[in-house]
Amino acid sequence: NAGVTQTPKFQVLKTGQSMTLQCAQDMNHEYMSWYRQDPGMGLRLIHYSVGAGITDQGEVPNGYNVSRSTTEDFPLRLLSAAPSQTSVYFCASSYRVQAGTFTDTQYFGPGTRLTVL
Amino acid sequence: AQRVTQPEKLLSVFKGAPVELKCNYSYSGSPELFWYVQYSRQRLQLLLRHISRESIKGFTADLNKGETSFHLKKPFAQEEDSAMYYCALQDDKIIFGKGTRLHILP
Repeated sequence: NAGVTQTPKFQVLKTGQSMTLQCAQDMNHEYMSWYRQDPGMGLRLIHYSVGAGITDQGEVPNGYNVSRSTTEDFPLRLLSAAPSQTSVYFCASSYRVQAGTFTDTQYFGPGTRLTVL
Repeated sequence: AQRVTQPEKLLSVFKGAPVELKCNYSYSGSPELFWYVQYSRQRLQLLLRHISRESIKGFTADLNKGETSFHLKKPFAQEEDSAMYYCALQDDKIIFGKGTRLHILP
């Protein structure tokens, strides 16, 4: 298994440009999520999905869109990049995340380092 | 609303000394809590979860519902423990704290 893969590893954008960060997993995980990691701010949840066709907002969803058309893929779209979106983005997945139940380990991707000029 | 607080951004500890990384949470129900670790140039990975009551790499964490805490402890720090540590809380999504960088001094 490749686990959780993310592309690209690095990206530089100009303000106003759009792009899609790719995330894929081959473990048949239902739950997938996107976080951004910023110094002093830790990991903040952007969007998450509990299964194909289902997405929901996390703590910092503004400026980002997601879709989940397949179990394997969970792309993150930046519609109009801003310097405030300069960050390291992590994708994560696990079998299931449900309140009140045992949660499987979350597996993280290697991250995408995004710089917006 | 669920919230995870890690009050220390940086914790420096001498090798062989005890380590305690603090985590406090806010949650209305019965929490599921985790510690994740990120070593230099490696992916974030699960260290331990409260429900398993396990000890991983000498680390333990006890859930104290009265104090709403889930502090991570190790009796004797090792240099390889230097890393970024995140406390996380789960209901229908997983929320992380801001993290604590643990620096083990030789």
